[in-house]
Amino acid sequence: ILNVEQSPQSLHVQEGDSTNFTCSFPSSNFYALHWYRWETAKSPEALFVMTLNGDEKKKGRISATLNTKEGYSYLYIKGSQPEDSATYLCAFIGDDKIIFGKGTRLHILP
Amino acid sequence: NAGVTQTPKFQVLKTGQSMTLQCAQDMNHEYMSWYRQDPGMGLRLIHYSVGAGITDQGEVPNGYNVSRSTTEDFPLRLLSAAPSQTSVYFCASSYSGQGWYPLHFGNGTRLTVT
Repeated sequence: ILNVEQSPQSLHVQEGDSTNFTCSFPSSNFYALHWYRWETAKSPEALFVMTLNGDEKKKGRISATLNTKEGYSYLYIKGSQPEDSATYLCAFIGDDKIIFGKGTRLHILP
Repeated sequence: NAGVTQTPKFQVLKTGQSMTLQCAQDMNHEYMSWYRQDPGMGLRLIHYSVGAGITDQGEVPNGYNVSRSTTEDFPLRLLSAAPSQTSVYFCASSYSGQGWYPLHFGNGTRLTVT
């Protein structure tokens, strides 16, 4: 069974502060790594698709890095805003299977 | 485009009843999948399909059947519902299962089995 771990499980961050969290995944049979943002009462929405070791992606204040050799990816949020409150999921893709981590629940404190 | 459409949004079943959760996409995606979301467990893969006529099991397939007769539709069947199948179910699709394209999710179906 493939294991995708995300840490921390939950995070409280003051508005305006920057933060980051981790996704760990198997380093073998790697096809891709996805990040999704999941707001309460909505469906997950894709943030990034990362396929190459050393990939760095950025969308506004959110960015992500990828290390396939050691099996981890970081998601960074710069200058947190209330609208960043959500659960952030990573998904490991290998051998046609897409396996999700349990997510990091981010709470932005006003 | 409608994207990924799931029906129904809510369903209550009694133990032993059967039902089908519908999923349709209009994006010509080859890859379709079903997940269940339970508290503290994240999204767990039930079944997936890489194209019409091809299905395979995910992490938690027991108690569920799927078929993929067309590219557009990927229904999930519960043959004899059990309380352990109370969950929120999400259908998701993508251009391919190799991960080079993101998943597009439906709005979910909240199922309660009493």
